[in-house]
Amino acid sequence: QQQVKQSPQSLIVQKGGISIINCAYENTAFDYFPWYQQFPGKGPALLIAIRPDVSEKKEGRFTISFNKSAKQFSLHIMDSQPGDSATYFCAARMDSSYKLIFGSGTRLLVRP
Amino acid sequence: ETGVTQSPTHLIKTRGQQVTLRCSSQSGHNTVSWYQQALGQGPQFIFQYYREEENGRGNFPPRFSGLQFPNYSSELNVNALELDDSALYLCASSISGVTYGYTFGSGTRLTVV
Repeated sequence: QQQVKQSPQSLIVQKGGISIINCAYENTAFDYFPWYQQFPGKGPALLIAIRPDVSEKKEGRFTISFNKSAKQFSLHIMDSQPGDSATYFCAARMDSSYKLIFGSGTRLLVRP
Repeated sequence: ETGVTQSPTHLIKTRGQQVTLRCSSQSGHNTVSWYQQALGQGPQFIFQYYREEENGRGNFPPRFSGLQFPNYSSELNVNALELDDSALYLCASSISGVTYGYTFGSGTRLTVV
């Protein structure tokens, strides 16, 4: 119940295309869902986050779609660029605990 | 305003040895958390410190321990190192009670041989 399942494991997209990464969870006590971007040799950096009372959040080219009834959420990267090539992690947190539960990561490669 | 800094960046230890990793929190942050990231996996929560006391722990044995100092810097200590302890260790700081506040350091890459 504490897991966050992420797919796909890896993704290759052409420049200008849309990258979509999906996550699913079981624990309905989760109330905060961030996405992190990690480049090689660096720590994860917060990209965008959403609360379950909102179905969609957009920041620039990045959009989170949230489906509370299905317990799923996804990250959409519009107009993907080679500089977006990185590993992306979804995560979830219960407000009663500060720890984040991370998905297993998606390695995104955007071809020029 | 400085971010989260960790030292050392890389470390090689022998099985059975002990290691200490260090973290300086982002200015203004009073909570520090440690995560272990094995190769190709997502980070896993080890523990969190607030006001110099551990206030949350993940599924890690007692040979993983920590300290938080009055200036909010922190140490992660691992005793009796095992080969499976080889990983990237990440420190994250935040302001207690603020949801949107995690800042991660670049990590320490520990290799146990």
